[in-house]
Amino acid sequence: KAGVTQTPRYLIKTRGQQVTLSCSPISGHRSVSWYQQTPGQGLQFLFEYFSETQRNKGNFPGRFSGRQFSNSRSEMNVSTLELGDSALYLCASSLELLDNEQFFGPGTRLTVL
Amino acid sequence: AQTVTQSQPEMSVQEAETVTLSCTYDTSESDYYLFWYKQPPSRQMILVIRQEAYKQQNATENRFSVNFQKAAKSFSLKISDSQLGDAAMYFCAYRQYGSSNTGKLIFGQGTTLQVKP
Repeated sequence: KAGVTQTPRYLIKTRGQQVTLSCSPISGHRSVSWYQQTPGQGLQFLFEYFSETQRNKGNFPGRFSGRQFSNSRSEMNVSTLELGDSALYLCASSLELLDNEQFFGPGTRLTVL
Repeated sequence: AQTVTQSQPEMSVQEAETVTLSCTYDTSESDYYLFWYKQPPSRQMILVIRQEAYKQQNATENRFSVNFQKAAKSFSLKISDSQLGDAAMYFCAYRQYGSSNTGKLIFGQGTTLQVKP
């Protein structure tokens, strides 16, 4: 069974641009969560989706948004990029919303210049 | 708000020896889960072990075991017979259970474990 896939794996953008990251969960998984990982702030929760509905949102500005499609694939979008948005963005999937095991993808490394 | 603290940014252990990574957390909830995740360099994060707060018995997974002290809000990870492949960053994580209806994980800052041959 294929694991969680994230595309693209690496991305370089400039300040002010916008970016869309994609996450395909493990087949059959319906819950997807996103995390931002930086050396300074560590791992921080961004969003959580289940059955195309956002169930929870972390403390990030409105420039960060996301959605989930009917096939459980999820995208997150960051508009008006800032230097501080440079990070590893991790996606995790689980069968159900409250499953005890979340499977993480390899992440998308975003660099903002 | 819940917080998770890992006070050891770096640890090292000799191959075949035992090492303990520390984690403390703060919560006013009584029902929750605790996890240890491993993130090898440039590789995906994987779940090492989990503990349900309502269980008094400490979880074990092969060479990995935890010391869960609910009253002290402490959750340490013991790695026995350390192997070179154990070298990674280890994250302690908390997840609330019950009415919150969320899978949101709250992570500690991580501990980088070096295994010396």
